Formats: sequence, structure tokens, C-alpha cells
Amino acid sequence: KAGVTQTPRYLIKTRGQQVTLSCSPISGHRSVSWYQQTPGQGLQFLFEYFSETQRNKGNFPGRFSGRQFSNSRSEMNVSTLELGDSALYLCASSYQVGPGYYGYTFGSGTRLTVV
Amino acid sequence: EDKVVQSPLSLVVHEGDTVTLNCSYEVTNFRSLLWYKQEKKAPTFLFMLTSSGIEKKSGRLSSILDKKELFSILNITATQTGDSAVYLCAVEAGDKIIFGKGTRLHILP
Repeated sequence: KAGVTQTPRYLIKTRGQQVTLSCSPISGHRSVSWYQQTPGQGLQFLFEYFSETQRNKGNFPGRFSGRQFSNSRSEMNVSTLELGDSALYLCASSYQVGPGYYGYTFGSGTRLTVV
Repeated sequence: EDKVVQSPLSLVVHEGDTVTLNCSYEVTNFRSLLWYKQEKKAPTFLFMLTSSGIEKKSGRLSSILDKKELFSILNITATQTGDSAVYLCAVEAGDKIIFGKGTRLHILP
């Protein structure tokens, strides 16, 4: 079965612009999480959506937002881009949340460069 | 504050060696500990551990969790160049998942 698909793979934006990243989870998975990965900070949790509802949110400013559609596809939006937003953004999907699930399956990520 | 600490940060060994990667954690409402291997972009799932003392094994990789001392180890025996990667440890705590910064492992031929 198809894995987690993230688009676009690469993106270059200028400061002050906004960007929207897309994530299509594995078919049947209802949980989608977003992460930011930078060399200095490692993998940091942004937010998680389950059945179109945001279940949890990490410690990121309000410029970072997301949503999930009825088909479980998710989008992440970053407004007023800053140089420090340059990172690899990873999306992960899971069949369910709560004890007993077998971890997440990650997509290949979107590499965002802000110039 | 919940935290996950991995050590060492980086490791270089020769092919055939055995390596042990460490992950310690301090979290509230622990649910599970996860190990991932990240080679280029997408981390790939290795193990999920929820119970102390039960070793999980997959080929040359194995992992065990100690919930009393709050740590886990990932062992790789007879290492191969294809094992070169960043190994990530993550802990599910309540509704959150917290990642360590990873151990960068490089295997010399």
C-alpha cells in the first residue's frame, strides 16, 4: 500500500511569505502529526490531528497552523516566514492514537528554505 | 518538563563491531518508547517498547526498556555499512511524543 505522501518535496520562499505543505496519510490512517527537524533542535512536535480535530499542539508560535480534511489529508501552514523556519518538515500518520498502536509511519518530508 | 536524552550524539565504528545506543527519559504519563532509523529523510520504525525487561529483536537489532531506571538501549551486532544512519528515540507521554536528538552512527568499511 502507498506510504505517507508529502508535497512538495522542496520549497524556497522569501521572508514574510506564507507557505502551505500537504500530507496524505496511509489509507485508513486517521491520525496525522507534523514535525519540524533542524540540525540544532532535532525533531520537534508541531501538532497532531485525529478525525479532523487538533488533539495536541507543540510549543510553536501561532504562525504555524494546520488542519485535517474528512479524507484525513492534512495541511500545514506557516505565515510570515522567518529565516529560522528553514527546516525539514515531516508528517507522520498512524491508524489510531492511544496505547497499543505501533508507532508512526513518516513521509519523506518537505525541505523548506527561507531566504 | 518532559525530556528524552540520547547518547552518544555520534559514534564511528568499524564494520563487524557491536554498538549500544542509549536513550534516557524523564516524562509524565509514560506510554511507550519508540526507536526509529533515519537515513535520508523519512524515519523508519524499528521497535516499540512498553514493558520493562522484555527484549525486542529484529535480525541484528535488539532493544530493551528499563522503566525503573527510565532508559532504553538499542543494540546492533555485526554492524554493516548499511547501518549508518541517525537513530532516533522517542517517548510517548500522555498525548505527546517527544523525540531525542538522535545518535549519528557511522560504520567504516
